[in-house]
Amino acid sequence: GENVEQHPSTLSVQEGDSAVIKCTYSDSASNYFPWYKQELGKRPQLIIDIRSNVGEKKDQRIAVTLNKTAKHFSLHITETQPEDSAVYFCAASGASNYQLIWGAGTKLIIKP
Amino acid sequence: DVKVTQSSRYLVKRTGEKVFLECVQDMDHENMFWYRQDPGLGLRLIYFSYDVKMKEKGDIPEGYSVSREKKERFSLILESASTNQTSMYLCASSLISAQGRTEAFFGQGTRLTVV
Repeated sequence: GENVEQHPSTLSVQEGDSAVIKCTYSDSASNYFPWYKQELGKRPQLIIDIRSNVGEKKDQRIAVTLNKTAKHFSLHITETQPEDSAVYFCAASGASNYQLIWGAGTKLIIKP
Repeated sequence: DVKVTQSSRYLVKRTGEKVFLECVQDMDHENMFWYRQDPGLGLRLIYFSYDVKMKEKGDIPEGYSVSREKKERFSLILESASTNQTSMYLCASSLISAQGRTEAFFGQGTRLTVV
């Protein structure tokens, strides 16, 4: 079945630096790739997503890139701030469109 | 605002008890999901439902069952709770937009401890 791998599991960056989280997926039929942020003690929430007909999407300090040929997509956060500290999950649409296949999560730590 | 509400935030149960976790969504979503979240393992799908009375096993269904008698409500049942079912349980509902986006909306989670 579909599999999504996410790296790294933990990422520690200095405040103001950039952070990059990478995911690879196995099913070439996947066409939708969202990213969710889960702050401590809170529910995961969608922060950005991309469809397979687009290579890059930006929203202020966050961006997502997609390489369909290599079957990988990445989350980029620039000028990191303390409030970016959270667990980030990537996902890919499954064989049935209503299902998302999730990565294992990345704990992002922003050092002051 | 979409609301997905789980009946309990924290729950402590004894080994062997039958446990019910309830989830209600108010946006008329077809699809509902139950996940468990454990450190380092991410979100693991237990069961999902794409319609009333319909259910499909996820990746880790053993020891669990579900019920979807009404569209807005999806219940997770632990038939005989065991200590290895101590975890955070997250319910979610989703819709597929006209643009093909599958946005998932999560409940606040239930931290279950089995003693």
